[in-house]
Amino acid sequence: NAGVTQTPKFRVLKTGQSMTLLCAQDMNHEYMYWYRQDPGMGLRLIHYSVGEGTTAKGEVPDGYNVSRLKKQNFLLGLESAAPSQTSVYFCASRENLGTSSNQPQHFGDGTRLSIL
Amino acid sequence: GQQVMQIPQYQHVQEGEDFTTYCNSSTTLSNIQWYKQRPGGHPVFLIQLVKSGEVKKQKRLTFQFGEAKKNSSLHITATQTTDVGTYFCAGKTSYDKVIFGPGTSLSVIP
Repeated sequence: NAGVTQTPKFRVLKTGQSMTLLCAQDMNHEYMYWYRQDPGMGLRLIHYSVGEGTTAKGEVPDGYNVSRLKKQNFLLGLESAAPSQTSVYFCASRENLGTSSNQPQHFGDGTRLSIL
Repeated sequence: GQQVMQIPQYQHVQEGEDFTTYCNSSTTLSNIQWYKQRPGGHPVFLIQLVKSGEVKKQKRLTFQFGEAKKNSSLHITATQTTDVGTYFCAGKTSYDKVIFGPGTSLSVIP
C-alpha cells in the first residue's frame, strides 16, 4: 500500500496563478483533510471531507476550494495564488468508526508551495 | 474559540537528558493523540489516550492524560538524537473536531 500520496511535491507559482494539489489514498478511508503548516503555527485545517461528495470548511478556508468526487481523491485548489499562501500543505486521511472514535490520521509527504 | 496550546515551543537538551512537553486545552477533550514530525517529514501518529488519568508507555516515552481531560504530557527519558523532531498533540473536542496544538520542537545536542 502506498498510503497517502500527494502531488506535486514542490511547486513555485507567481501571484495570481492557479493550481490544484492532488491527494490520493488507497486505504479506503472515509475522512480526508487538507492542512497548511507554517513555522510556529502547527497544522491548521483548511478543508475536510467526511465522505465522497461532501466537503466542509476548516479553520483557514479562505482562498482555497476543494472537491471529493471520488472517495480516494481529495483535491485542493488555489484559484488566484497569493504570497500569503506560501506554505507546506499536508493531506491526511483516517477511518471512520463512528462519532465516538478518533482513528489516527495518516499523512502524506507534503507539498512545498512558494508563491512569488 | 476552542484552543489547544503546547509548551514549550522549543526545547534544546543534551543527549541523555529528559524532555517533557505539555499540551493544554481550553475545553474538555474526549481523547488526545500525539504525533511526531521529523525535520522535513510528515506527522506520524504515536499514541492515543482516551481515559481520564490514563498513562501509556512506549519504551522511553511516557504519555499522560489529565484527570480533567483538558491536559496531557509527553515525557521522554534519556533523550537520543533519534528523538529530534516536533511533537504535536491533537485533541478531539465534544463537537467531534480535532484540533492540533502548535507543536514542541525538540533538538538534541550529541
